[in-house]
Amino acid sequence: QSVLTQPPSASGTPGQRVTISCSGSSSNIGKNTVNWYQQFPETAPKLLIYGRNLRPSGVPDRFSGSKSGTSASLAISGLQSDDEADYYCAAWDDSLDGVVFGGGTKLTVL
Amino acid sequence: EVQLVESGGGLVQPGGSLGLSCAASGFSFSDYWMHWVRQIPGKGLVWVSRINGDGSSTHYADSVRGRFTISRDNAKNILYLQMSSLRADDTAVYYCASASVGGARNALDIWGQGTMVTVSS
Repeated sequence: QSVLTQPPSASGTPGQRVTISCSGSSSNIGKNTVNWYQQFPETAPKLLIYGRNLRPSGVPDRFSGSKSGTSASLAISGLQSDDEADYYCAAWDDSLDGVVFGGGTKLTVL
Repeated sequence: EVQLVESGGGLVQPGGSLGLSCAASGFSFSDYWMHWVRQIPGKGLVWVSRINGDGSSTHYADSVRGRFTISRDNAKNILYLQMSSLRADDTAVYYCASASVGGARNALDIWGQGTMVTVSS
């Protein structure tokens, strides 16, 4: 059972906009920034979003993050087949004194 | 080239010990927090531990506290994870990662390729 809750799956068609939710609590998302990662099978995760909706160099602006209260969302616009991957949210948890991850969302591009 | 390369994984018996290393290159290693994250194949990411730039501050997940020790050698640009009293549920791919972007301590922007640790008799 992950501390942050994500839907196990999401889907969309090419060109569509999809969002992935991440629900936490006052000790993690409520107080700290949320980071989002993309992971393809058999490869290391890649940082997509950090801080207040910042993207590392090379991440397209089709990816964006938002936060409200104890929940956060990752939005992917102009969905492409290459976006089919697992997506994880993460945040620092002040009560656990550690990083907590969501369980991951498998995105399928139909 | 910015790179993290883990080594040291393998098969170990329950109750045994194993040490992982992560060699960094291409960036200012000593400036950044470093983390270990593990993942059972086919399952989600689980944070293990982190250490600050000069090694004076460390944090651990409850599941490994008291059994694992994170450390670093900034002269050699190497991060370590010493694991003891290993259990079957420690079996996973272990990634080292660096939080080098924008001063964010927990935004892991550089990852190694991972090293597999299997705890089994």
